Amino acid sequence: SSELTQDPAVSVALGQTVRITCQGDSLRNFFASWFQQKPGQAPILVIYGDNNRPSGIPDRFSGSSSGNTSSLTITGAQAEDEADYYCNSRDNSGFHLRIFGGGTKLTVL
Amino acid sequence: EVQLLQSGAEVKKPGESLKMSCRGSEYIFTAYWIAWVRQIPGKGLEWMGIIYAGDSDARYSPSFQGQVTFSVDKSINTAYLQWSSLKASDTAIYYCARLSADLSLLDYWGQGTLVTVSS
Repeated sequence: SSELTQDPAVSVALGQTVRITCQGDSLRNFFASWFQQKPGQAPILVIYGDNNRPSGIPDRFSGSSSGNTSSLTITGAQAEDEADYYCNSRDNSGFHLRIFGGGTKLTVL
Repeated sequence: EVQLLQSGAEVKKPGESLKMSCRGSEYIFTAYWIAWVRQIPGKGLEWMGIIYAGDSDARYSPSFQGQVTFSVDKSINTAYLQWSSLKASDTAIYYCARLSADLSLLDYWGQGTLVTVSS
């Protein structure tokens, strides 16, 4: 099966822009979706498909992809954006198989 | 609004069985796949597999095949995850999530169920 690789930790100054990346072979064929998870809470979807945001997600969250890399960008990071972020996509082996990246811990300084 | 409501935390001993639930509401339960995701405390998310609520077609990740069983009771809009013999290594939070209609993403999640397996 495929793997998705994320940097374990990233930091950003309050109000600045940060990009969180996710790399994997499956991303050449399938879009990633991105989840935010705060301590003690279930993950929530923040970006999916070709840069789509679910209702209620601030527009400072955006997504992009190129080749085998998908990116989540937060433009003007806020203190409440401090969380773990996971990418997820289909595995090349079949629709029922999905893979998660290892997660990126975002710290807002 | 779509909701997935999971059963409460469990404390079990090794070798015991367990069946946890995930009840869907405010959508056509039988038209969607339900996914199960494991999160060991302090670790990342792991894909366990999916089950179609319409006909109980279950697909397991190789890592979980034979270790757990998915099932559905359509009459009460509820999906289940069960173990016949728990191990300490099954200690984790388990989430159910709905797979979107186009099968592209997990669009709604349950609140998670913490399972602690300890002697």
